[in-house]
Amino acid sequence: GQNIDQPTEMTATEGAIVQINCTYQTSGFNGLFWYQQHAGEAPTFLSYNVLDGLEEKGRFSSFLSRSKGYSYLLLKELQMKDSASYLCAVMDSNYQLIWGAGTKLIIKP
Amino acid sequence: IAGITQAPTSQILAAGRRMTLRCTQDMRHNAMYWYRQDLGLGLRLIHYSNTAGTTGKGEVPDGYSVSRANTDDFPLTLASAVPSQTSVYFCASSGDSSYNEQFFGPGTRLTVL
Repeated sequence: GQNIDQPTEMTATEGAIVQINCTYQTSGFNGLFWYQQHAGEAPTFLSYNVLDGLEEKGRFSSFLSRSKGYSYLLLKELQMKDSASYLCAVMDSNYQLIWGAGTKLIIKP
Repeated sequence: IAGITQAPTSQILAAGRRMTLRCTQDMRHNAMYWYRQDLGLGLRLIHYSNTAGTTGKGEVPDGYSVSRANTDDFPLTLASAVPSQTSVYFCASSGDSSYNEQFFGPGTRLTVL
């Protein structure tokens, strides 16, 4: 079956760096997405990786290793507004997104 | 309208009743999707449409139906609601961008009693 695993919850301190991991087993691979979802709101797109390596976008970076079925989202200079759930999703061979359950990130002052 | 809208925002429904959740986008995206989101689970695809006039079943289609008469609208119907359909429902769309990322509506919180 298809499976996306990510930690349920993480806690970090304002101003620090946090890495959220995601491992996947899917039928086919056409890219990996990270989304941010604040409580009670819709998911919003953060990043996309289809080739191995690191993609940097401001304070957020996303890494992919296709051979290991592994990705991480790196958040730097954490701000209180970064408190949210972070969703990992893989596009499978049918071009459908398979979603992880999300990682709830709690930022403490 | 800018992006995707959903209606209603929330609804409490008696079991056995019929309910249609509305979704409209103004981005001229070809593909549209309906997901449900339950605590502790990832978003699960209910139905999708790759283009107007076509629809397909997702991971959890039972008890739901959709139609795609035009590009902008993608309603989701629960023919006879059951308590297990209590969830938050998100509509999404995707177009021809570089990443083919999905854009989400604000969601509908549905409670079936």
